[in-house]
Order: sequence, then structure tokens, then C-alpha cells
Amino acid sequence: DGGITQSPKYLFRKEGQNVTLSCEQNLNHDAMYWYRQDPGQGLRLIYYSQIVNDFQKGDIAEGYSVSREKKESFPLTVTSAQKNPTAFYLCASKRTGEYQPQHFGDGTRLSIL
Amino acid sequence: GENVEQHPSTLSVQEGDSAVIKCTYSDSASNYFPWYKQELGKGPQLIIDIRSNVGEKKDQRIAVTLNKTAKHFSLHITETQPEDSAVYFCAVPWGGGANNLFFGTGTRLTVIP
Repeated sequence: DGGITQSPKYLFRKEGQNVTLSCEQNLNHDAMYWYRQDPGQGLRLIYYSQIVNDFQKGDIAEGYSVSREKKESFPLTVTSAQKNPTAFYLCASKRTGEYQPQHFGDGTRLSIL
Repeated sequence: GENVEQHPSTLSVQEGDSAVIKCTYSDSASNYFPWYKQELGKGPQLIIDIRSNVGEKKDQRIAVTLNKTAKHFSLHITETQPEDSAVYFCAVPWGGGANNLFFGTGTRLTVIP
């Protein structure tokens, strides 16, 4: 079955460490996205990529970095510069163009030890 | 930029009753309106969407209505069941090619058996 896989499901980080969240899709979608979700809140856009080797900052990019070397993969690194990284992180992808929905993975929950 | 307001933030209904969630948006050029359902610990899943050239769309117990003049759209769930309990998000497109979505803040629906 086609879909989006996020790993790991739970991740713990010590203060001062960088961590990388994985997102892989086999839907052949061009666009990919990373969102952050805090308890009881909506989705806030961190980074997005419309095509391989290109990505753009979203509303809350500070303290995060991404790469898009392959169409299928869009890893997110949470750096030590992100002062409040505890959250639920969601990856999504979509076909290019209007009227195309975003498809989401099941998220990674990041906690600080 | 786009702005989306979603109401109510929480909604409790008796099993079998109807539930209505409303979103208002600011950009009159918006032309695609998806609704997502998020269950606990999972990523959001698309449940229904509507394009701006129609006023209503139904899929079994779920319907979405759109009022472009007033710039609002609503999700209607009839004959609610306990498995409808979840958080629901509306979204509107923004950005070139409508590839990005701006999400509402979510509505937590509880269906009481």
C-alpha cells in the first residue's frame, strides 16, 4: 500500500542535542511538508518542499533544518537552537496542483529528557 | 495572507444527533476546502473536500457546505456515532499553485453513547 511513513513514533532528546525525524513516502508526490502540533492546537508549518533539492521556510522554521535530496524523503532535524522542541511532528505530501489534498503520516512525538 | 477561524473548539453531542463545525476564511480567491479528522495519536486523514464551483457535497453521513459570498464553509455529520469522536480540522489553500494549506485550530468532537 502507498503511504507516508514517519519514524520513530516516539523520540527522546537530551538538551543540546540535534535529532532527525524521518519521513518517507511512496506516493510519488512532488510536494512534502513538516508541521508541528502542540497539545490542543492546530498545525503550524515548519518547512515545505515543492520539488527535489528545493525547500522553503514555513511560519516557524527557526531551530529546524531540512533536506530534500530524494523525492521520497524529507527528513527534519530539530537542532539545539529550538528552545521548546517538545511537540507532535507531522509530515505530509501531495501531488502538485490545485484541488489536491495533503496526505499525512502518523507523526513522531518528540520529548526532552 | 490567509486567515481561518474555526468554531466551536469543543463540541459534545448525543449519539444519533447531528454535529456542525464552521470555518470562516479571509481570502476570497480560495477555491478548495478540505476537512480532516484526527484520531488520538494519529495523523489527520482527509474525510471530505469541496471545490469552489459547488455549494454542497455529501458522502454518506458527512457533508460540507460552502458559502463563497460570506466566506465560510461547514462540516455536517449526521447520525453521529462514538467512532466519530475525534478532532476535526478545516483548511484553506495559500501560496502559488495552491500547494500549501492553512489549517484551522481544530474542533474536538465527543459523541456520547
